[in-house]
Amino acid sequence: GNSVTQMEGPVTLSEEAFLTINCTYTATGYPSLFWYVQYPGEGLQLLLKATKADDKGSNKGFEATYRKETTSFHLEKGSVQVSDSAVYFCALGNTGNQFYFGTGTSLTVIP
Amino acid sequence: EAGVVQSPRYKIIEKKQPVAFWCNPISGHNTLYWYLQNLGQGPELLIRYENEEAVDDSQLPKDRFSAERLKGVDSTLKIQPAELGDSAVYLCASSQGSGANVLTFGAGSRLTVL
Repeated sequence: GNSVTQMEGPVTLSEEAFLTINCTYTATGYPSLFWYVQYPGEGLQLLLKATKADDKGSNKGFEATYRKETTSFHLEKGSVQVSDSAVYFCALGNTGNQFYFGTGTSLTVIP
Repeated sequence: EAGVVQSPRYKIIEKKQPVAFWCNPISGHNTLYWYLQNLGQGPELLIRYENEEAVDDSQLPKDRFSAERLKGVDSTLKIQPAELGDSAVYLCASSQGSGANVLTFGAGSRLTVL
């Protein structure tokens, strides 16, 4: 079946620290992988995506590489800012328009 | 371009009362999703529409939940009667075309059942 497992939070970092949020997946076929971000009181917003193995998605300083050999899609950012405080969701989408989300990782960045 | 619009944003009702949520997807998006998001959890699919057809409603509690998407555009999700455990955020999302295309989410409708 299809599923996503991401590291549990909450994660608290100081401003300018390095961020890694782990995500692994189980899938049949060749899924696309996504990271969504949710700010308080808002819906989920696409942060980045990768559609095939070895693709790197990037946006706003965040990066994630689609690793088929380790079934992973870890989110990284070299220097976090207070404005990055949010909940981050890893997700998998298959060719049948089905999406599977992780449970989310809450990030708080302190000045 | 307008995003996915949901209403109401917040709703407080007493248990056993009915409630309805409305979603207007992005123009031209043929696939529409309703998700349930409990506190501290990721979205869980309730129902997916391809145009006006419900193609995946296996997780929709059909004894109390119903949904419709007339004319393949707007959609309504209804709960009748509501239970305490229905308190959650109901998210609507839409996407275009086939395959794992990007989901665009609305801001959600937060339901509190007292």
